[in-house]
Amino acid sequence: QSVLTQPPSASGTPGQRVTISCSGSRSNIGSNTVNWYQQLPGMAPKLLIYSHNQRPSGVPDRFSGSKSGTSASLAISGLQSEDEADYYCATWDDSLNGFVVFGGGTKLTVL
Amino acid sequence: QVQLQESGPGLVKPSQTLSLTCTVSGGSISSGDYYWSWIRQPPGKGLEWIGYIYYSGNTYYNPSLKSRVTISVDTSKNQFSLKVRSVTAADTAVYYCARDSLKGYYGMDVWGQGTTVTVSS
Repeated sequence: QSVLTQPPSASGTPGQRVTISCSGSRSNIGSNTVNWYQQLPGMAPKLLIYSHNQRPSGVPDRFSGSKSGTSASLAISGLQSEDEADYYCATWDDSLNGFVVFGGGTKLTVL
Repeated sequence: QVQLQESGPGLVKPSQTLSLTCTVSGGSISSGDYYWSWIRQPPGKGLEWIGYIYYSGNTYYNPSLKSRVTISVDTSKNQFSLKVRSVTAADTAVYYCARDSLKGYYGMDVWGQGTTVTVSS
């Protein structure tokens, strides 16, 4: 059971806009920045979004992030076949001494 | 550009200690701007943060693993290491090292390719 809750799956057709949600609590998303990672099959995860809505160099602007209260979302517009991957949200949790928490991951299928 | 590479045994017996090392190249682990993380992924499952270390030796651990885990740093070798004691089959996973920032503000922006560790007799 992950501290952050994501839907296990999402899907869309090429060109569509898809959103993936990430729900947490006051001690994690409510108090800290949210990052998103993309993991292609058989590969290491890749940083997609940091600090809620910032894209590292090289990440297309089709990917965007947002946060509201204790929830965050990743939006992918102009869906492409190469976007088929697992997506994870992550943030810091201030409880105990503090630690990083990941969502359970969302498998995105491009139909 | 900074690169990370995990190394260590691919097979560990139950009840023994799993030991892995992450070598940092293209940059100094002592730069002071980053925290150095370990993350694992059991087969077919999601990512689990294990912990991270600052070059000074300051560490943060996942509370669920803290009693069995030690992360250390060797600045002279530009490496950091992971030890997991008393392993069971549940510790079988791909283990990744990554570069992070304080409280993850800038995200884990550099990852190693991962190394598979199987716990089996």
